[in-house]
Amino acid sequence: AQKITQTQPGMFVQEKEAVTLDCTYDTSDQSYGLFWYKQPSSGEMIFLIYQGSYDEQNATEGRYSLNFQKARKSANLVISASQLGDSAMYFCAMRPPTGANSKLTFGKGITLSVRP
Amino acid sequence: GAVVSQHPSRVICKSGTSVKIECRSLDFQATTMFWYRQFPKQSLMLMATSNEGSKATYEQGVEKDKFLINHASLTLSTLTVTSAHPEDSSFYICSAQRGWGTEAFFGQGTRLTVV
Repeated sequence: AQKITQTQPGMFVQEKEAVTLDCTYDTSDQSYGLFWYKQPSSGEMIFLIYQGSYDEQNATEGRYSLNFQKARKSANLVISASQLGDSAMYFCAMRPPTGANSKLTFGKGITLSVRP
Repeated sequence: GAVVSQHPSRVICKSGTSVKIECRSLDFQATTMFWYRQFPKQSLMLMATSNEGSKATYEQGVEKDKFLINHASLTLSTLTVTSAHPEDSSFYICSAQRGWGTEAFFGQGTRLTVV
């Protein structure tokens, strides 16, 4: 079974500063994928970044980077230069390596508020 | 990028009636789609896995007779909330994946209110 843990309470960050959202995971699989999604108040789920368990380099997508520490089983999301539009819920998720019908396991999410 | 379209985005229905929610993959074939339910400020709870041409696989505790899922084609899955009651009011969202290692594409979600 796979498990995602997001324990931070609501996070606050000043506009233009960087923020780290924590995510730890547990799995017995050797191969897996890690994802971060953003959910604004409108409800849509927006894909941010993906990290494969065998990827040697940390994933980056624009202002988003994933601090992947495999030995610690952590996959923290770093948002640089926060913007007011970054205020949303953020979910960490993982999938086993069984193809298109493999389920995503989500963490409980973290609420991020960006202050002007 | 791939798009998954979900309709309707909002629906209000009377208690005892049924509501159908559609989930379409617009530019790829999705043999598998997923249906989630989400309560305010909580995570997504997987309800069922929808498989094209076969019966859906429901998660433990989800009433299959209450939440009917049909995946009649490679681009369309539907969720019907039958005999809806106020406790069924929630945010329902679908997703589809093209393969391993790729992101899950989500529909816009449907906010269901049963009065």
